[in-house]
Amino acid sequence: DIQVTQSPSSLSASVGDRVTLTCRASQDITTYLAWFQQKPGKAPKSLIYGASKLQAGVPSKFSGSGSGTDFTLTISNLQPEDFATYYCQQYNSDPPTFGGGTKVEIK
Amino acid sequence: EVQLVQSGAEMKKPGESLRISCKASGYNFTTFWISWVRQMPGRGLEWLGRIDPIDSYTKYNPSFEGHVTFSADKSINTAYLHLSSLRASDSAVYYCARGSGLRSWFDPWGQGSPVTVSS
Repeated sequence: DIQVTQSPSSLSASVGDRVTLTCRASQDITTYLAWFQQKPGKAPKSLIYGASKLQAGVPSKFSGSGSGTDFTLTISNLQPEDFATYYCQQYNSDPPTFGGGTKVEIK
Repeated sequence: EVQLVQSGAEMKKPGESLRISCKASGYNFTTFWISWVRQMPGRGLEWLGRIDPIDSYTKYNPSFEGHVTFSADKSINTAYLHLSSLRASDSAVYYCARGSGLRSWFDPWGQGSPVTVSS
């Protein structure tokens, strides 16, 4: 199975900040990477697919980049509703696997 | 609006069986696969497998094969996750999610079905 590692596991930021989350795959997955946002007690919500393509309806403050094994999710102008846990997922090969998540907390 | 609505919370005893439903609306149910994902308390996400509703072809994560099975009833746009011989370690939230087979991301997700297994 492809291992997916996210860093950091948590970070503290202030409203208005710009943050960058990192995701690394254990082998080349080209751009078969998605990012999800999950709030406590809620289902994951798709943000990005294809490493950099914004899911319909997701604000442009979210942006993804990367290819191969290294990827980033950047969130600009953090707002209270953005504080959540973010997961990346590779879907290059079965089984799809998820990173352990990055929890973005209010400083 | 594309939507997946799952059945509610369940409390079961060890050894019992369970079926979770996932009803799709807002799209042609037979043109997308349904995946099932587990999230154990305070833990990350694990893919259990997927089913193609058009012919009920299934692909299981080898880590879960034999313990979970999937089915689908395209007449009512509903997919099912079946868990047998439940154990405490099956306590988790189970999600269904729409995808399009191999090399597909998941969107949308169902709201989740919490399962507690306890004697």
